[in-house]
Amino acid sequence: DQQVKQNSPSLSVQEGRISILNCDYTNSMFDYFLWYKKYPAEGPTFLISISSIKDKNEDGRFTVFLNKSAKHLSLHIVPSQPGDSAVYFCAASGETSGSRLTFGEGTQLTVNP
Amino acid sequence: KAGVTQTPRYLIKTRGQQVTLSCSPISGHRSVSWYQQTPGQGLQFLFEYFSETQRNKGNFPGRFSGRQFSNSRSEMNVSTLELGDSALYLCASSLKAGFDTGELFFGEGSRLTVL
Repeated sequence: DQQVKQNSPSLSVQEGRISILNCDYTNSMFDYFLWYKKYPAEGPTFLISISSIKDKNEDGRFTVFLNKSAKHLSLHIVPSQPGDSAVYFCAASGETSGSRLTFGEGTQLTVNP
Repeated sequence: KAGVTQTPRYLIKTRGQQVTLSCSPISGHRSVSWYQQTPGQGLQFLFEYFSETQRNKGNFPGRFSGRQFSNSRSEMNVSTLELGDSALYLCASSLKAGFDTGELFFGEGSRLTVL
């Protein structure tokens, strides 16, 4: 049972345009959501997070939106840069999860110059 | 400060063998978690250790085990290797168990190939 799903395995955008990566979850106990970025041969690095008490969190070019009723979150990158090309993982945790994160399958973002 | 260090980075084993992977967390971090990454499966949680105690365990068979030492370094062991165990094994550390900022710091992983 995949509790966190990223339905798009890949996304390609032009430099300077907006990248929108989507994530859906099924477990209503999740209350904290994170996005990680992963380059080849490196471990994932934390990008941005959002608590379920918020519906938006912004950090520079990165904004995460949370729609609790739809159990959906999205990551917006504006403007997209070639260096943003990486695999992006959505992850979720609940109050009793500890450091246990439930990850989606990842979306490969390619930003073309 | 030094990041999370995992050794070895790459290794090849044959079916039926066993393997031990090592992880040194960021200095001062007391929580270590292990994840398995396979193509198309994302990252699957294996277990979490804090202060030498396993706090959480994922849905993996008993062939997968781990431990944490008093200096917070951690090892995971996989016995009786199967072809399906071929994966990237990622270790992550955090300052304490549970979340405040929610940030886990990942190592570069140990790439295991089982032939």
